[in-house]
Amino acid sequence: GAVVSQHPSRVICKSGTSVKIECRSLDFQATTMFWYRQFPKQSLMLMATSNEGSKATYEQGVEKDKFLINHASLTLSTLTVTSAHPEDSSFYICSAGTGALELFFGSGTQLSVL
Amino acid sequence: GQNIDQPTEMTATEGAIVQINCTYQTSGFNGLFWYQQHAGEAPTFLSYNVLDGLEEKGRFSSFLSRSKGYSYLLLKELQMKDSASYLCAVGSRGTGFQKLVFGTGTRLLVSP
Repeated sequence: GAVVSQHPSRVICKSGTSVKIECRSLDFQATTMFWYRQFPKQSLMLMATSNEGSKATYEQGVEKDKFLINHASLTLSTLTVTSAHPEDSSFYICSAGTGALELFFGSGTQLSVL
Repeated sequence: GQNIDQPTEMTATEGAIVQINCTYQTSGFNGLFWYQQHAGEAPTFLSYNVLDGLEEKGRFSSFLSRSKGYSYLLLKELQMKDSASYLCAVGSRGTGFQKLVFGTGTRLLVSP
């Protein structure tokens, strides 16, 4: 199957700093990318849908100014957690699709905010 | 909106068969997906159903009834490595893309 690369895999930062997470489709062009967050022992919660060249669509309750998404090319989407606080500590996962049924997932980023 | 429910936890013994149920209420249905996720890792795709009926794939089978908003994942000949979370996800069609919304997930513990 197709490969989606996500990094960093783990990041620890101080409260108040910003963190950028990258998601790349390595062998296909992703028309759409999705960002999820997952708290321990819970399922994936869809945060936003990112389309190349246009603004992201955020799910209800997700702060767009807090979680900045940029989908500058067909192979790269970034999620920036701005002014991170301990409650933002979570597992963030991206997925990418070509418009077909199946989506491909990155390996996830564990964010810990001190 | 979408509402997708699964049992929180299940336990089974090695070699047994287990069925994980998923019920959903959603609009714009475009497929029911099952993923496996080990702790701290990304989900891996297991199967999907678009039409009613049973799809078999080795030790894993998935069933869908669209009229009932119901699906199940059947795991046969359980192995210890099958201990993981199993996520049911409903696909919906956006403008030119496929979107997945995940259920609550079921943690399966396989014991010797």
